[in-house]
Amino acid sequence: DIQMTQSPSSLSASLGDSVTITCRASQDIRTFLNWYQQKPGKPPNLLIYDASTLQSGVPSRFSGGGSGAHFTLSISSLQPEDFATYYCQQSHSTPRTFGQGTKLEI
Amino acid sequence: EVQLLQSGAEVKKPGTAVKISCKVSGSKFNTYINWIQQAPGKGLEWMGLVDPEDGEAEYAEKFLDRVTITADTSTDTAYLELSGLKSEDTAVYYCALEIFGSGSIVTNWFDPWGQGTLVTVSS
Repeated sequence: DIQMTQSPSSLSASLGDSVTITCRASQDIRTFLNWYQQKPGKPPNLLIYDASTLQSGVPSRFSGGGSGAHFTLSISSLQPEDFATYYCQQSHSTPRTFGQGTKLEI
Repeated sequence: EVQLLQSGAEVKKPGTAVKISCKVSGSKFNTYINWIQQAPGKGLEWMGLVDPEDGEAEYAEKFLDRVTITADTSTDTAYLELSGLKSEDTAVYYCALEIFGSGSIVTNWFDPWGQGTLVTVSS
């Protein structure tokens, strides 16, 4: 199984800040990497797929990068609605595995 | 607009089984449906998927002996059945459609997700 490791597990930031979340895969997954945002009581919402492609409707302050085994999710100019939990997920093979999540807090 | 509508919350006793449904609307029922577990305050754990075109399913090893995922193409509905319920199975269960891209390398992602179904296991 491919293990996904996110860091940090939690992150404190302020409105207007820029932050970066890192996700590492236990093996080369090329760009089979997706990012989701989840708010309390809601299902996850797709932000970025194919490591760096922004899902339609997602603000351009979100960006993804990386390939192989090292990936990043960056958020610039944090807005109130960005405070949530973020998950990476590999879709290279089954089992489809998720990172443990990064909780972004004010 | 593609939507996944899941069945309602369930309360079950330990040792029993639960079957949750996920109806797909607004899209052809021809791509993988995945099921993901989220225990209270915890992260996302993939349980398995089904290919509605041939009914073939794959499961995570953790759930292999207790889970069955099926698809009914006559109603565009996927099902998750979990047996031998334990208190640790108390969780929200999500279904998610797996979308495949069309580039030179065909990558894939989950979108959209169902609204979630809370299963509570308690004696």
